[in-house]
Amino acid sequence: NAGVTQTPKFRVLKTGQSMTLLCAQDMNHEYMYWYRQDPGMGLRLIHYSVGEGTTAKGEVPDGYNVSRLKKQNFLLGLESAAPSQTSVYFCASSKVTDTQYFGPGTRLTVL
Amino acid sequence: SQQGEEDPQALSIQEGENATMNCSYKTSINNLQWYRQNSGRGLVHLILIRSNEREKHSGRLRVTLDTSKKSSSLLITASRAADTASYFCATDGYNTDKLIFGTGTRLQVFP
Repeated sequence: NAGVTQTPKFRVLKTGQSMTLLCAQDMNHEYMYWYRQDPGMGLRLIHYSVGEGTTAKGEVPDGYNVSRLKKQNFLLGLESAAPSQTSVYFCASSKVTDTQYFGPGTRLTVL
Repeated sequence: SQQGEEDPQALSIQEGENATMNCSYKTSINNLQWYRQNSGRGLVHLILIRSNEREKHSGRLRVTLDTSKKSSSLLITASRAADTASYFCATDGYNTDKLIFGTGTRLQVFP
């Protein structure tokens, strides 16, 4: 089992560019989450999904969109990147609302 | 939000000593979890304690939960240099589908 994987690992964008982060899990989990982590702060939830075809807003959803077309994949999109979106992004999945399994993270820099 | 707050923010100890981290939260919970994050990596689940439990052990880890004080503590006994990491508590909301993470305690264990 690969667990939770994230693509890409690193990315540098210019302000206004768009990109999509891919999260994939092979544990047949229903729940998937996208977080961002900034220095000195814990993880903040961006969006999450409780099943295929469903998404919901988290704590900091502005500037991001998500899609969960397949159970194993959860995509995070930035339509027009801003420097404030420079962060490390983590994806996680869980069977129900208990133990979450995290991916290795994507380090995004927006210039 | 019902973010957990860890205390202390940073802790430095010698190998062999015990490390204690505390977490406080604001509202009722179903369970509280502790996660570990090595530098530059994703979070790894350590232990989950349910609201009807007061203490739980896993190897060198001991977690306590006091729901009347809305607080939890994580004790790592006989610490090792490999325990150097950041430790986060996470609480679920009552009847919610997500976790709220605290800002973490950075533990440094010197050989």
